[in-house]
Amino acid sequence: QKEVEQNSGPLSVPEGAIASLNCTYSDRGSQSFFWYRQYSGKSPELIMSIYSNGDKEDGRFTAQLNKASQYVSLLIRDSQPSDSATYLCAVNKSGGSQGNLIFGKGTKLSVKP
Amino acid sequence: EAGVAQSPRYKIIEKRQSVAFWCNPISGHATLYWYQQILGQGPKLLIQFQNNGVVDDSQLPKDRFSAERLKGVDSTLKIQPAKLEDSAVYLCASSLSLVKYFGPGTRLTVL
Repeated sequence: QKEVEQNSGPLSVPEGAIASLNCTYSDRGSQSFFWYRQYSGKSPELIMSIYSNGDKEDGRFTAQLNKASQYVSLLIRDSQPSDSATYLCAVNKSGGSQGNLIFGKGTKLSVKP
Repeated sequence: EAGVAQSPRYKIIEKRQSVAFWCNPISGHATLYWYQQILGQGPKLLIQFQNNGVVDDSQLPKDRFSAERLKGVDSTLKIQPAKLEDSAVYLCASSLSLVKYFGPGTRLTVL
């Protein structure tokens, strides 16, 4: 089983719709979870972090965490063409250094005007 | 505030040659990371520094890769000799806490 799994997509949604991105992880000891956005040819940019079960909202973004199911998701409301990018899920590796993140392969999101 | 700086931005070499990448982190950030991102995959941690000490280098191929961070600021990552499978983007990141800030990366092509 891969440590962090994401559907590679592409996920295509119309402008204004809700985009739902999902991520599962294998390390039950992980405590910190992150979503990064990466535009083509650019470096990853942090958009959300979540550390406890439940929802965390920031503008049009909502991160959801369920540690029992080892599942993290990212919802993007009112999707815009500028949201088209690859979204990387990252999970801290328990037992490792604090900054040791395991990244998934990413889900490519395409928002159609 | 200036971001993480990296150079060069692009590098093309032949296999068995050597190459070095440079990173200047955000001022005051004690933690510095080097990641390798192969096309179509997520970044993979190669090495993590806390000031000028190595915290984690468990995934660094030490037979060919080396890294140093002198004086706890700038860092260099070297590959010698390079292999075809080293073709990737090498990302440097720095942080004060769990939030990492990535540099623009160096795209390495090994022919």
